[in-house]
Amino acid sequence: DGGITQSPKYLFRKEGQNVTLSCEQNLNHDAMYWYRQDPGQGLRLIYYSQIVNDFQKGDIAEGYSVSREKKESFPLTVTSAQKNPTAFYLCASSDRPGEKLFFGSGTQLSVL
Amino acid sequence: DQQVKQNSPSLSVQEGRISILNCDYTNSMFDYFLWYKKYPAEGPTFLISISSIKDKNEDGRFTVFLNKSAKHLSLHIVPSQPGDSAVYFCAAREWSLNMLTFGGGTRLMVKP
Repeated sequence: DGGITQSPKYLFRKEGQNVTLSCEQNLNHDAMYWYRQDPGQGLRLIYYSQIVNDFQKGDIAEGYSVSREKKESFPLTVTSAQKNPTAFYLCASSDRPGEKLFFGSGTQLSVL
Repeated sequence: DQQVKQNSPSLSVQEGRISILNCDYTNSMFDYFLWYKKYPAEGPTFLISISSIKDKNEDGRFTVFLNKSAKHLSLHIVPSQPGDSAVYFCAAREWSLNMLTFGGGTRLMVKP
């Protein structure tokens, strides 16, 4: 059953801690994306990758980092530099850049 | 500067009636538009799309209309059902960037 798997579903971060959100897809898609959703707001692009070993900053990349070592995987690290990390994080993929996005079920990150 | 705007944060409709969700955009380089539906704590799911060369696309109860001169698109749901209650996002692609830009979302509530 093809799709995008995000883990964990819920994550808590302590002050000064880096945390990593996992995103795996078995759709054989080239492009992958990370979005952030704050309560009552839309989706804002953090980072995207159009091909393995390459990624680009989105609109709100500060305080985040990513890697794309494998086509299937696009983990997002929320660093201690991100001062307001509490949000719902969504990973997505598309067959080609700019095409219809398929989303994972999201990770809710909260600060302790 | 928001290039894609959904000016109504919420909409309430009676079951069986029509729901009309609106979306305005400012970028004339957008060539492809999509609507997504999102339930709480889940990832958005694709509903329907339309290319800029068309002015209407229909899929079952869902119809999207595009008015390029007004830079406006709308999603019609007929008849509305309680299960349609969700947040709806419109998104637009800029052809030169191959990226999707999302609106802020409209929460639709369909009352039985």
